[in-house]
Amino acid sequence: AQTVTQSQPEMSVQEAETVTLSCTYDTSENNYYLFWYKQPPSRQMILVIRQEAYKQQNATENRFSVNFQKAAKSFSLKISDSQLGDTAMYFCAFMKLQTGANNLFFGTGTRLTVIP
Amino acid sequence: ETGVTQTPRHLVMGMTNKKSLKCEQHLGHNAMYWYKQSAKKPLELMFVYNFKEQTENNSVPSRFSPECPNSSHLFLHLHTLQPEDSALYLCASSRDSGTTGNTIYFGEGSWLTVV
Repeated sequence: AQTVTQSQPEMSVQEAETVTLSCTYDTSENNYYLFWYKQPPSRQMILVIRQEAYKQQNATENRFSVNFQKAAKSFSLKISDSQLGDTAMYFCAFMKLQTGANNLFFGTGTRLTVIP
Repeated sequence: ETGVTQTPRHLVMGMTNKKSLKCEQHLGHNAMYWYKQSAKKPLELMFVYNFKEQTENNSVPSRFSPECPNSSHLFLHLHTLQPEDSALYLCASSRDSGTTGNTIYFGEGSWLTVV
């Protein structure tokens, strides 16, 4: 079974600073996908960034980037130049490479607060 | 603006009531999902539909009954629920759950409170 662990229940960062959210996962699969989703107070789960495990290059999306360490099964999210709108719950998620249902396995989330 | 819309956003129901949650996606996707989000627990997949056919039921109690009349609409029919069923129910969609690695897009959720 796949498990996703986010060891930081809450974090805060000063506006314009950089913050890194941690995520580790456990799997016996070799090919899979990893995601970071953001859930603001509106409760909608919004995709932040996605990484294919077969790609060595870390994914980046504007101010968001990941540090993917496959051997260590680590997938951290770095937010640069933090903005007030980044305040939200952040969920790390794992998806197996398989046919049929695309099931996302989620961590318990990290609540990020950006302080003005 | 979300491509996946859910109604109602909030629902309070008694344990003997029958109600339904509705989800509609405007993204041209073929796969739709129901997830349950409870406090302090990871999101749990409940059901998956691919091209209107149910492809996964994650051991969900029969008091939850999904319906997918077409690829754009998904319902969750609720009856004789328990207080522990109170949670945020998230609908989602993706291009095709039979093709691996498709990004899943979520709606804003329906808050359900069972009294």
